Amino acid sequence: DGGITQSPKYLFRKEGQNVTLSCEQNLNHDAMYWYRQDPGQGLRLIYYSQIVNDFQKGDIAEGYSVSREKKESFPLTVTSAQKNPTAFYLCASSRDGGNTEAFFGQGTRLTVV
Amino acid sequence: AQTVTQSQPEMSVQEAETVTLSCTYDTSESDYYLFWYKQPPSRQMILVIRQEAYKQQNATENRFSVNFQKAAKSFSLKISDSQLGDAAMYFCAFHRFQGAQKLVFGQGTRLTINP
Repeated sequence: DGGITQSPKYLFRKEGQNVTLSCEQNLNHDAMYWYRQDPGQGLRLIYYSQIVNDFQKGDIAEGYSVSREKKESFPLTVTSAQKNPTAFYLCASSRDGGNTEAFFGQGTRLTVV
Repeated sequence: AQTVTQSQPEMSVQEAETVTLSCTYDTSESDYYLFWYKQPPSRQMILVIRQEAYKQQNATENRFSVNFQKAAKSFSLKISDSQLGDAAMYFCAFHRFQGAQKLVFGQGTRLTINP
C-alpha cells in the first residue's frame, strides 16, 4: 500500500543530544514537508522540499536540519540548538506541491528528558 | 508571506445541526489553493475539502461545503447534519499556485459534537 511512514512513533531524547526523525514515502511525490505541532496549536512549518537535493526553511527552522538525498526520504534532525524540542512532529508529502492534497504520516512524539 | 487565521479556538454543535468554522488568510497572489483538514484524536490528518482560487463555485463534499469569498480572503467550512464522528480539530490551509510551495496552516478549531 502506498503511503507515508514516520518512525519512531515515540522518541525520548536527553538534553544536548541530536536526534533524527525518519520520514519515508512511496507515493512518488515530489514535495515533502515537516511540521511541528504543540498542544492545542496549529501546524508550524519547519522545512519543506520540492525536489531532491533542494530544501527551504519554513517559519521555525532554527535548531533543525534536513536532507533530501532521495525522493522517498526526508529525515529531520532535531539538534541540541533547538531550545524547546518537546512536541509532536508531522511529515507530509504532495504530488505537485499545490493542486493535490498533502498526505501525512502518523507523527512522532518527541520528548526531551 | 502568507498567513492563515482561524479565530475560533473552539466550537460546539448539537448532533444533526449545522456549524460553520471560519478562516481568513492573507496573500498578495491571485492564484492559490485552500484546504480544510481534519485531525481526529488519532492525530491522523485527513483532507476534508479543497478549493482552487480561480474557481468561483464553492466546493462541496457530501455534508461539507465551503463559502469562498476571494475579495474578503475568507474561506469558511460548513458542516451540515453534524455527526459524532465529526468531532476533531479542523485546520484551514493555504498553498501557493507557483513559486515556493509552502503549505501553511491556521491555528485550528476544536469542534465538539454534543449528542
